[in-house]
Amino acid sequence: ILNVEQSPQSLHVQEGDSTNFTCSFPSSNFYALHWYRWETAKSPEALFVMTLNGDEKKKGRISATLNTKEGYSYLYIKGSQPEDSATYLCAFIESDDMRFGAGTRLTVKP
Amino acid sequence: DGGITQSPKYLFRKEGQNVTLSCEQNLNHDAMYWYRQDPGQGLRLIYYSQIVNDFQKGDIAEGYSVSREKKESFPLTVTSAQKNPTAFYLCASSSRLADTQYFGPGTRLTVL
Repeated sequence: ILNVEQSPQSLHVQEGDSTNFTCSFPSSNFYALHWYRWETAKSPEALFVMTLNGDEKKKGRISATLNTKEGYSYLYIKGSQPEDSATYLCAFIESDDMRFGAGTRLTVKP
Repeated sequence: DGGITQSPKYLFRKEGQNVTLSCEQNLNHDAMYWYRQDPGQGLRLIYYSQIVNDFQKGDIAEGYSVSREKKESFPLTVTSAQKNPTAFYLCASSSRLADTQYFGPGTRLTVL
């Protein structure tokens, strides 16, 4: 059974703070890792698809890194804004299975 | 407009009744998925399909059934055997299994 852990479960930061959270996954049979942002009352939207060890992806103030050998990915948000408030989900995909983590719920206070 | 639709947004059913949730996509995606979300939990995979007329069980398939007769459609039936069916259900699709998923707006099912 795939075990995908996200930490922390929730996070409260002030506007302007930078923050990061973690997705941990099994280090064997890696195929891909996805990050999604899920805002309240909306559908989850894809942020990044990461496939190679050492991958770094960036979209505006949000970036992600991937370490498949040790089984983790970090998501960073620089200068958090209230509109960044959402649940951030990672999904681990191996050759014939996939699993979402429980998510990190980020609240950015103005 | 390309996208993925789910209907209805809210659904109420009496205990013991089967109910079918609709999911349609016009993105020409091969893979489709059904997830369930409960308060405080992430998305749990119920069923997925990589191609028409084929589908696989996810982590929590018991009490659910699906069909994939058309590429565009992947309906989910919540049967009376599902012990705790009240939840938020999300459908998604992707070009293939490992690709980015596009999600529908979800259906909130309440069993009274």
